[in-house]
Amino acid sequence: KAGVTQTPRYLIKTRGQQVTLSCSPISGHRSVSWYQQTPGQGLQFLFEYFSETQRNKGNFPGRFSGRQFSNSRSEMNVSTLELGDSALYLCASSSTGGREETQYFGPGTRLLVL
Amino acid sequence: AQTVTQSQPEMSVQEAETVTLSCTYDTSENNYYLFWYKQPPSRQMILVIRQEAYKQQNATENRFSVNFQKAAKSFSLKISDSQLGDTAMYFCASADLTNKLIFGTGTLLAVQP
Repeated sequence: KAGVTQTPRYLIKTRGQQVTLSCSPISGHRSVSWYQQTPGQGLQFLFEYFSETQRNKGNFPGRFSGRQFSNSRSEMNVSTLELGDSALYLCASSSTGGREETQYFGPGTRLLVL
Repeated sequence: AQTVTQSQPEMSVQEAETVTLSCTYDTSENNYYLFWYKQPPSRQMILVIRQEAYKQQNATENRFSVNFQKAAKSFSLKISDSQLGDTAMYFCASADLTNKLIFGTGTLLAVQP
């Protein structure tokens, strides 16, 4: 089975712009979670989608949003970018999102905000 | 809220030797799941090993094993016969009730030739 894929792998944006990141889960997986990784804050949970519904949300401002499509692919959007949004954004998929399941991560999208 | 603590920011080990990475956690739940993930320089997060709290037996996966002390809320990772490819950042994590992963701050492991 192919692993989790994320596009693009690298992005450079300027403050005030918006950005959309994409994540394709492992075939058959219906749960997709997003995490932000920064040197200062470490790994932080953004949100989780299951069957096109946001099921869980972390403590991030409303500028961070996401959605999931019927084929389980997910996108996250960040509007009005700030310098502090520079980070590695990781998505992870699992079959149904049960806590007994392992989450499999993609390679990440590295976002640099100038 | 669950917390995960890794008190060793960096560690170094000689090739072929054994190293243990420490992790403590805090949870009020009775059943929970713990994980060790590895993040090499490529930044891809890779599952190393997982432990289900209700299982008494410590999980093992080839050269990787854990020492799970439930009462002490300790979950250390032992890497035997360390290899150069084990050089990476290692994260301890727990899954909360909503399956959100709570990560520790990581331990950077360097395997020296």
